[in-house]
Amino acid sequence: DTAVSQTPKYLVTQMGNDKSIKCEQNLGHDTMYWYKQDSKKFLKIMFSYNNKELIINETVPNRFSPKSPDKAHLNLHINSLELGDSAVYFCASSLRRQAIYGYTFGSGTRLTVV
Amino acid sequence: AQKITQTQPGMFVQEKEAVTLDCTYDTSDPSYGLFWYKQPSSGEMIFLIYQGSYDQQNATEGRYSLNFQKARKSANLVISASQLGDSAMYFCAMREGQGAQKLVFGQGTRLTINP
Repeated sequence: DTAVSQTPKYLVTQMGNDKSIKCEQNLGHDTMYWYKQDSKKFLKIMFSYNNKELIINETVPNRFSPKSPDKAHLNLHINSLELGDSAVYFCASSLRRQAIYGYTFGSGTRLTVV
Repeated sequence: AQKITQTQPGMFVQEKEAVTLDCTYDTSDPSYGLFWYKQPSSGEMIFLIYQGSYDQQNATEGRYSLNFQKARKSANLVISASQLGDSAMYFCAMREGQGAQKLVFGQGTRLTINP
């Protein structure tokens, strides 16, 4: 069973469209994250949720809206997609009180905006 | 200010040799954690090793060890007896504070193992 699963793995779409990426974890973790990896491979956190509560929002355009229906799911919705949104988006999860054990990442969603 | 610095954009090593990937960090928090992740060409992020700021001994996991020099604020990853499958991007990352919920990553080092 995949611990952190993201769908879709690849997403190609036109500028101006709205798209969603879904993430689910079956590890019993209470904290989930979205990271963005740009074309230079730099990884930066976008959002973090703990038990469905937003705890980190790192100066991300408000076209990006995360939603966490429960602590096992964290979805990312992007409105009015722009060329600069092309990147790989990683979902991750951790157990807040045991963060020393690392963060488990999903396999990534490669978003290409044309 | 850059919190995590990896100064080696690329490294080329012969198979079976040991390799050290450099990582320096910057924090004023006495409690922090340092992580290394591997990202092969397939794209997934694989957790390799963790070092806590209060850990007395350097962390080891199989062929991976972390050379933790607290006074110098460095946390270099050492891979012994490198294998072709070790070719990948390697990222150093830091979590500040006990309750902090985010990892801050370095720029990464692309390691290539030559046969």
